[in-house]
Amino acid sequence: AQSVTQLDSQVPVFEEAPVELRCNYSSSVSVYLFWYVQYPNQGLQLLLKYLSGSTLVKGINGFEAEFNKSQTSFHLRKPSVHISDTAEYFCAVSGSGYSTLTFGKGTMLLVSP
Amino acid sequence: GAVVSQHPSRVICKSGTSVKIECRSLDFQATTMFWYRQFPKKSLMLMATSNEGSKATYEQGVEKDKFLINHASLTLSTLTVTSAHPEDSSFYICSARDRRVSNTEAFFGQGTRLTVV
Repeated sequence: AQSVTQLDSQVPVFEEAPVELRCNYSSSVSVYLFWYVQYPNQGLQLLLKYLSGSTLVKGINGFEAEFNKSQTSFHLRKPSVHISDTAEYFCAVSGSGYSTLTFGKGTMLLVSP
Repeated sequence: GAVVSQHPSRVICKSGTSVKIECRSLDFQATTMFWYRQFPKKSLMLMATSNEGSKATYEQGVEKDKFLINHASLTLSTLTVTSAHPEDSSFYICSARDRRVSNTEAFFGQGTRLTVV
């Protein structure tokens, strides 16, 4: 069985500041890892994904994440956030081969001027 | 990325009526579709997985007679909430993928806000 833990339900940050959203997972098999963003009343948009290879993954909108197998983490980072980054962010895991996704509870990123 | 269109984006229905939500893959064939339910300030809960031409597989605790899923073609799946009640009010999201294509993830629809009054 797989599980995802997003420790922070809400992360407030000022515009142009750096941010890190934390994600830890547990799985007994090899995994694929994902970060999605959800704007109010909208579906999910894929920010980035880790399948294999380089542990540093770059995504859209200036986001990146680093896969750390020993710490079973996949934290999302952005060096300088914008007001428009305010949204809900979900970390998700699936078995290799794109099997069913298991989502974390989400982290609300609140960017203020 | 591939496009998944979900319709309607929001719907209000009276208690006791049924409502149908459509999920279409516009530029790829969706052999597999997933239906999720999202409660306010909560994560996505997988309701069921459907493979084209087969009966859907429901997650534990999801009433299959209440949430009818049809996946009759490679581009369309529907979720029908039967005899809806206010507690069925929620945000429903579909996602779709072509399991025959390796290295491709599922793509999500825009979601449907259901309000039962």
